[in-house]
Amino acid sequence: IQMTQSPSSLSASVGDRVTITCRASQNIRSYLNWYQQTPGKAPKLLIYAASSLQRGVPPRFSGSGAGTDFTLTIINVQPEDFATYYCQQSDSAPYTFGQGTKLEIK
Amino acid sequence: QITLKESGPTLVKPTQTLTLTCTFSGFSLSTGGVSVGWIRQPPGKALEWLALIYWNDNYHYSPSLKSRLTITKDTSKNQVVLIMTNVDPVDTATYYCARRRPDYGDPFDYWGQGTLVTVSS
Repeated sequence: IQMTQSPSSLSASVGDRVTITCRASQNIRSYLNWYQQTPGKAPKLLIYAASSLQRGVPPRFSGSGAGTDFTLTIINVQPEDFATYYCQQSDSAPYTFGQGTKLEIK
Repeated sequence: QITLKESGPTLVKPTQTLTLTCTFSGFSLSTGGVSVGWIRQPPGKALEWLALIYWNDNYHYSPSLKSRLTITKDTSKNQVVLIMTNVDPVDTATYYCARRRPDYGDPFDYWGQGTLVTVSS
């Protein structure tokens, strides 16, 4: 299953609302997870099962979608949110990742 | 508290075999539904899923690397081992192990810090 994220990068200001999309090449139901990665660090789980917020993750992060189209939304972007975001499908092996979306400061 | 930590060589020569060990604590790989996976990331590039082993010894490999990978577990030592044969400079990457939670969505909820492996002569 191919996972395609868009955009590959985007610029935003603190306080903005941003949306990242992830498209699967076939139906993955709601088996879609989102991760955040900052330079030099391991990825961190943000959203699982398309829309469930991982414990400890701020509620300004949210996920939606099912089937083949998914979105990650960050409202009121904070300085610590500037990072790279990856989607990953867990419906069927191999459990592929998207190519990543880098969120940069405008 | 759940932790995972990768260990292995930092430098490997082309054509050699790479052996990486993931040592974890805070959960058991004999618990139904639990699995541990390996993911790598070449410098400046995206995450690439490599392999996964389940509590019942089932496993999956990336199709593009299947012929070169072997994943095993030692439940008594709380370790998962990934073996990659015939390495090439393109295998230079940070290698992560992660626990896959047996939950709706089956996410990787805990990750090791990663270990950078360089393939060079």
